[in-house]
Amino acid sequence: KQEVTQIPAALSVPEGENLVLNCSFTDSAIYNLQWFRQDPGKGLTSLLLIQSSQREQTSGRLNASLDKSSGRSTLYIAASQPGDSATYLCAVSNNAGNMLTFGGGTRLMVKP
Amino acid sequence: KAGVTQTPRYLIKTRGQQVTLSCSPISGHRSVSWYQQTPGQGLQFLFEYFSETQRNKGNFPGRFSGRQFSNSRSEMNVSTLELGDSALYLCASSSQLVRVADTQYFGPGTRLTVL
Repeated sequence: KQEVTQIPAALSVPEGENLVLNCSFTDSAIYNLQWFRQDPGKGLTSLLLIQSSQREQTSGRLNASLDKSSGRSTLYIAASQPGDSATYLCAVSNNAGNMLTFGGGTRLMVKP
Repeated sequence: KAGVTQTPRYLIKTRGQQVTLSCSPISGHRSVSWYQQTPGQGLQFLFEYFSETQRNKGNFPGRFSGRQFSNSRSEMNVSTLELGDSALYLCASSSQLVRVADTQYFGPGTRLTVL
């Protein structure tokens, strides 16, 4: 059974800092890994998707890496801004289809 | 393109009742998935429908059921509601045109409260 863990559970940083969020998974036979952001009481917004054959994906100030063999992914956020404050979730897909297994999330607070 | 829409946004029910939630995917998307989000268990997969067929199912009791219509709209039903069913129910859609597992786009959710 796939298990996804995110560390840390919460993080508070001053504006402008670069930061790294971590995600680990137990079963390396994944189709893809996705990073989402969730604002309080809202749905999820897809940030990046990495296919199992890829090593990283970039979008603006975000960079996500994937190391399947070690069961790890990182989300790097450059020059953080208060608007980045949200919960960040990683999720993996293990089969054909869209059954995602989610981590518990990292709650990020960026202070002005 | 309009995003994923879910109705209603908020629901209050009492124990023992049943409830139906609706999800309209992004136009052209054929896959619809449902998730339950609670503070204690986080986000958990309920089921996925693709072209009106249930393709994947999570580990939830039979009280939770769903279906998908020919226009890809989906409904989920929960019968004999329990207090523990209080949660945010999220729907996600995916195009599936290029890959078998593709980016999922989530709706705003339906907040269900069971009293």
